[in-house]
Amino acid sequence: QPVLTQPPSVSGAPGQSVTISCTGSSSNIGAGYAVHWYQQLPGTAPKLLIYLNTNRPSGVPDRFSGSKSGTSASLAITGLQAEDEADYFCQSYDRSLNAVFGGGTKLTV
Amino acid sequence: QLVESGGGLVKPGGSLRLSCAASGFTFNSYGMNWVRQAPGKGLEWVSFISASSNYISYTESLRGRITISRDNAKNSLYLQMNSLRAEDTAVYFCARDRQEYLGTYFDLWGQGALVTVSS
Repeated sequence: QPVLTQPPSVSGAPGQSVTISCTGSSSNIGAGYAVHWYQQLPGTAPKLLIYLNTNRPSGVPDRFSGSKSGTSASLAITGLQAEDEADYFCQSYDRSLNAVFGGGTKLTV
Repeated sequence: QLVESGGGLVKPGGSLRLSCAASGFTFNSYGMNWVRQAPGKGLEWVSFISASSNYISYTESLRGRITISRDNAKNSLYLQMNSLRAEDTAVYFCARDRQEYLGTYFDLWGQGALVTVSS
């Protein structure tokens, strides 16, 4: 079972916005560790999308944004485009388990 | 970039050694990880090795059956897997580590190597 909890799927029409949640516990997100997000397009490797809660690597559109509060974090995607259709994973650090991931959320546009 | 190799079909109880060739960055300045993804499933962190190999960690479920190593002279990362089981079937990714005060994340990934454990 994944340590971090994500909804299995979300969907939105082109141009709309969606939010993907990631819920942890007091030993990971709630302990102050940052949350990071990865995008995995079909048949490809994961790609870093958001790091340290809110930061975008070079080349990631500002349509993608991250936030964190308490034991949870969220990934927001605005102005949905067809190419955003992918699996999204959150990741944090757990004091006893090292790096931990969410189960992933499939975004359908 | 990171390029994995060494995946394939192996019988239960068998062994396999994965390799990850790094290029385009100073390999000996970064810690490295292996992360796996079972078919249709999520991501699972497997193992970490520091830049100078002086710190190594493994996920508890695989401890004792896997060994991570690296050769900085060859810009290469390795994962030796023994006593393989059907549930080890997965794509294994190597990923570059970014350690920050607030935790670690993975900023560069290889394309993955498929390991299939089946008789």
